[in-house]
Amino acid sequence: KNEVEQSPQNLTAQEEEFITINCSYSVGISALHWLQQHPGGGIVSLFMLSSGKKKHGRLIATINIQEKHSSLHITASHPRDSAVYICACTGAGSYQLTFGKGTKLSVIP
Amino acid sequence: NAGVMQNPRHLVRRRGQEARLRCSPMKGHSHVYWYRQLPEEGLKFMVYLQKENIIDESGMPKERFSAEFPKEGPSILRIQQVVRGDSAAYFCASSNSGSNTGELFFGEGSRLTVL
Repeated sequence: KNEVEQSPQNLTAQEEEFITINCSYSVGISALHWLQQHPGGGIVSLFMLSSGKKKHGRLIATINIQEKHSSLHITASHPRDSAVYICACTGAGSYQLTFGKGTKLSVIP
Repeated sequence: NAGVMQNPRHLVRRRGQEARLRCSPMKGHSHVYWYRQLPEEGLKFMVYLQKENIIDESGMPKERFSAEFPKEGPSILRIQQVVRGDSAAYFCASSNSGSNTGELFFGEGSRLTVL
């Protein structure tokens, strides 16, 4: 059974700060997803990774398969980035997503 | 280019009633997943369906819960004889292939409150 751990649980940052959210998982995976959820809102898929690095605007996601670790970076953070960021993994040969508990990010002006 | 559509967005039921949650996947997507998010908890996988087939329902409670994805129309998650513990947000996601290869698109969720 895959365990997905995120850190930190809560993060408060000043506007413009560079932010890093970490995700570790315990068993081999076929894909890792980073998701964003605003309070009371839906879920938006930010990235799906199986190796290397992806960039979209101010967001960058990296994954290290050997270390079973992924990071989500936000450059020049903005209050509208305030949300819960969730890491989720699909196990090798599985359809099921296993989710981390999420990181609640608050960006203060 | 409508995204994944879920309805109702909010549903209130009394204990013992039935709840039906609907999910229309993105156009061209034949893979649908349902997830549950209990208050103050993380998301949990419930069921994975392809058109007319349940592929994996191992995350769904054995009793009172059922899901379908008919040839025509939306996928439906049905909860019979609801109890207070069923109060949660239920999210649907769709993809054009399995979640280990295809990007997932999520709906806005259906928030069920059981009185």
